[in-house]
Amino acid sequence: AQKITQTQPGMFVQEKEAVTLDCTYDTSDQSYGLFWYKQPSSGEMIFLIYQGSYDEQNATEGRYSLNFQKARKSANLVISASQLGDSAMYFCAMRENSGYSTLTFGKGTMLLVSP
Amino acid sequence: KAGVTQTPRYLIKTRGQQVTLSCSPISGHRSVSWYQQTPGQGLQFLFEYFSETQRNKGNFPGRFSGRQFSNSRSEMNVSTLELGDSALYLCASSSYTSGHTDTQYFGPGTRLTVL
Repeated sequence: AQKITQTQPGMFVQEKEAVTLDCTYDTSDQSYGLFWYKQPSSGEMIFLIYQGSYDEQNATEGRYSLNFQKARKSANLVISASQLGDSAMYFCAMRENSGYSTLTFGKGTMLLVSP
Repeated sequence: KAGVTQTPRYLIKTRGQQVTLSCSPISGHRSVSWYQQTPGQGLQFLFEYFSETQRNKGNFPGRFSGRQFSNSRSEMNVSTLELGDSALYLCASSSYTSGHTDTQYFGPGTRLTVL
């Protein structure tokens, strides 16, 4: 079974609008971490935001926020005020407490921001 | 602080050859992980090293191997290259304090093409 599911292969958004990228996960660990990374066409994976399973507040980092719904096992990324430079692949990833540093990634969502 | 560096950035090899990729982690980071990214399989975990010891290994054949040196730099080697080994190989480092909060930071990747 897939551990990380990103159901949106591609998303389109206009500049300055907000966009939500979906991510659901599956784990039997009580303690785990959820991460979002951005991958521009250059290939480098850029860390955006982290949410711990015991964190009660949703994580925020500048224009990025993570909508964490533990009971539904979802960790959606919200990008506010989209910019042209936000066009990239976005990956949701999970690190389980039992897995050392290993990250399990979803298939990714391609975000295109239009002027 | 300098980020994760990977060399070379691009490689072209022929079937049957072997290749060695190098990764220098962020200063002070002792954990290095390797991932393979292909259009078909997405991001897949190869292995993770911590203090010169392989702690975790993904589901790859024995042709894929790695090591870590005392300065935390890591190399991965692929022997008897196959066409399907063409991929972007990403290295990530983390400080690995403990548990799931550890964040991995990625290098720019090595793009390997096997002809």
